[in-house]
Amino acid sequence: DAGVTQSPTHLIKTRGQQVTLRCSPISGHKSVSWYQQVLGQGPQFIFQYYEKEERGRGNFPDRFSARQFPNYSSELNVNALLLGDSALYLCASSSGRFVEQFFGPGTRLTVL
Amino acid sequence: AQKITQTQPGMFVQEKEAVTLDCTYDTSDQSYGLFWYKQPSSGEMIFLIYQGSYDEQNATEGRYSLNFQKARKSANLVISASQLGDSAMYFCAMTVPDTGRRALTFGSGTRLQVQP
Repeated sequence: DAGVTQSPTHLIKTRGQQVTLRCSPISGHKSVSWYQQVLGQGPQFIFQYYEKEERGRGNFPDRFSARQFPNYSSELNVNALLLGDSALYLCASSSGRFVEQFFGPGTRLTVL
Repeated sequence: AQKITQTQPGMFVQEKEAVTLDCTYDTSDQSYGLFWYKQPSSGEMIFLIYQGSYDEQNATEGRYSLNFQKARKSANLVISASQLGDSAMYFCAMTVPDTGRRALTFGSGTRLQVQP
C-alpha cells in the first residue's frame, strides 16, 4: 500500500508570493493534518481536517489556509510568503482516534 | 494546553549498547496518548511506539520500549542494542483526543548518534 504522498518535494519562492502544497493520505484514512517544522525544532501543528471539515487549527496567521477534498486529499495554501515561512511542511494521515499518524516525506519550502 | 519537554539536545551511544531518551509531558487531561517518532536526515517522520494514558503495561515494539511513569509524567524511550541506522532525530509527542482533534504536540527533539 502506498504511504502518504506530498508534492512538490522542494519549492523555492520569493517573499510576497503564494504557494500551494499537496498531500494524499493513505487509502482509507479520512484525517489529514499539516505541520510546519522549522530547522532545528519539532513540528508545529497547523491544521487538521477530518471528513472534509476543519477540526483544529494551530497558532498560525490567516495567511495559512487549507482544505480537504472528497477523496480526502488536502491542500495547504500560504499567501504573502515571509522569510520565516521557510520550513519543512509535513502532512500526516490517520484513521482513528488512538492510532498513530503516518507522515509523508514533506515539502521543503525555501522563501528568498 | 499540552507541553512536551525533551532535555537532551544530543546523545551518543556505542553500537550494540542500550540508550534512554528522556521525555516529560504536561497536561491536565486524564486521557491522552504518547508517541515517539524517528526523523532521519531525509525528513520523514517514522512512527516508533505508542502508549495510552490508561495502558497499564509499558509499550514495546521490537528494540523500542517506552518507560511510562504516569505519576512523574515521563515517557522515556529505550532503544536496546543500538545500530548505526538508529542515528537520527527522535521526537516525543502527545495527543489529547478529548479536545476533539488528533493533533500532535511535539517536543524539541533529541539527536542520537550511534558510534561504531
